[in-house]
Amino acid sequence: DTAVSQTPKYLVTQMGNDKSIKCEQNLGHDTMYWYKQDSKKFLKIMFSYNNKELIINETVPNRFSPKSPDKAHLNLHINSLELGDSAVYFCASSQDDKTQYFGPGTRLLVL
Amino acid sequence: AQSVTQPDIHITVSEGASLELRCNYSYGATPYLFWYVQSPGQGLQLLLKYFSGDTLVQGIKGFEAEFKRSQSSFNLRKPSVHWSDAAEYFCAVSLTGKLIFGQGTTLQVKP
Repeated sequence: DTAVSQTPKYLVTQMGNDKSIKCEQNLGHDTMYWYKQDSKKFLKIMFSYNNKELIINETVPNRFSPKSPDKAHLNLHINSLELGDSAVYFCASSQDDKTQYFGPGTRLLVL
Repeated sequence: AQSVTQPDIHITVSEGASLELRCNYSYGATPYLFWYVQSPGQGLQLLLKYFSGDTLVQGIKGFEAEFKRSQSSFNLRKPSVHWSDAAEYFCAVSLTGKLIFGQGTTLQVKP
């Protein structure tokens, strides 16, 4: 009964491929987020959705497209993967924009 | 621009010794403040948070943090460190629904 779950945990792929990462939360929260942690462990927000509506869209290449089929799910699709996309991607959720609870992360390696 | 600074990139303490991790923020008002911990290869776990009220907050695993408005600080403390506390620690502030993270502090615990 994990609160915020992500799949896959690890993703190794070739440059130029398209891949998706899935996130699900069973906390009943109304807001979900994607964060990127780079090789220096720096964490930065990418997107947030509230009740399936895009709220925050930071300066992220349009190769990254989030999709929220319902308020419990927020997926991240990445087109034409580049070497610089290698990172750990974290999903999080919150209620009323307060405390955010994070998933275990997806470790993406682009070769 | 709003920012979070963790001055210590790496700290080493002996098991059983006390610990203080520093965090300073730059923001006009008092933001929501958080400490998260990331064990190797793991996700982010919330240690504690401050929204308002008592400036000394207690968290999980024996951690506490004190908010000092005059110093724009939110330092994390633990009276006696255990070997299992070795991890990466992140201070964060919540700004309009998104978390702004510090650079992180790596804690190493010597036996």
